[in-house]
Amino acid sequence: NAGVMQNPRHLVRRRGQEARLRCSPMKGHSHVYWYRQLPEEGLKFMVYLQKENIIDESGMPKERFSAEFPKEGPSILRIQQVVRGDSAAYFCASSEYGTGVDEQYFGPGTRLTVT
Amino acid sequence: GNSVTQMEGPVTLSEEAFLTINCTYTATGYPSLFWYVQYPGEGLQLLLKATKADDKGSNKGFEATYRKETTSFHLEKGSVQVSDSAVYFCALKDPQGGSEKLVFGKGTKLTVNP
Repeated sequence: NAGVMQNPRHLVRRRGQEARLRCSPMKGHSHVYWYRQLPEEGLKFMVYLQKENIIDESGMPKERFSAEFPKEGPSILRIQQVVRGDSAAYFCASSEYGTGVDEQYFGPGTRLTVT
Repeated sequence: GNSVTQMEGPVTLSEEAFLTINCTYTATGYPSLFWYVQYPGEGLQLLLKATKADDKGSNKGFEATYRKETTSFHLEKGSVQVSDSAVYFCALKDPQGGSEKLVFGKGTKLTVNP
């Protein structure tokens, strides 16, 4: 059973460009979570999605960031007009049920560098 | 709001030394507690968890006990190995707070020398 897949693993963007990060959850998982890890910091929650629905976006910046998890295909985290402060590692996690102590399985992350 | 505070690193130990990484939490409800480990260049892996007071989570020689009275979940291992070198994150999930999100501490980098 393949784990959580993220691509690309490394992404370099110039200021003002768009970044699109993809996450394929584990087989059978319909709950996806995005976290951001800034240098020397722990992971910070961004958004929680189920298929076609955003459940909790309390950690998403109000502007430039959006996320989706369509019925078919991977979850996408989109950052428009990137700035240097967006440079970070972005991790996706997935779970089967999304409740209680259901374990979240993490992908290897996408390391975004904004030049 | 919910938060996790863990011992700042980095921590450097010799092989076979005893390890303790402190973790305390603040939560509105009755959270579940987790320790995750991140090896260089990789994502996080769940190391152990505990879901209620006095539960002890254990895995690969690591242990942590959920202490409600001291709001702590300290990670311990009796004899560390070089392969344990990684960053360790304490985290909580508080569904009664209305969310399934994990709240993480800042992480503690452990280096074990031969």
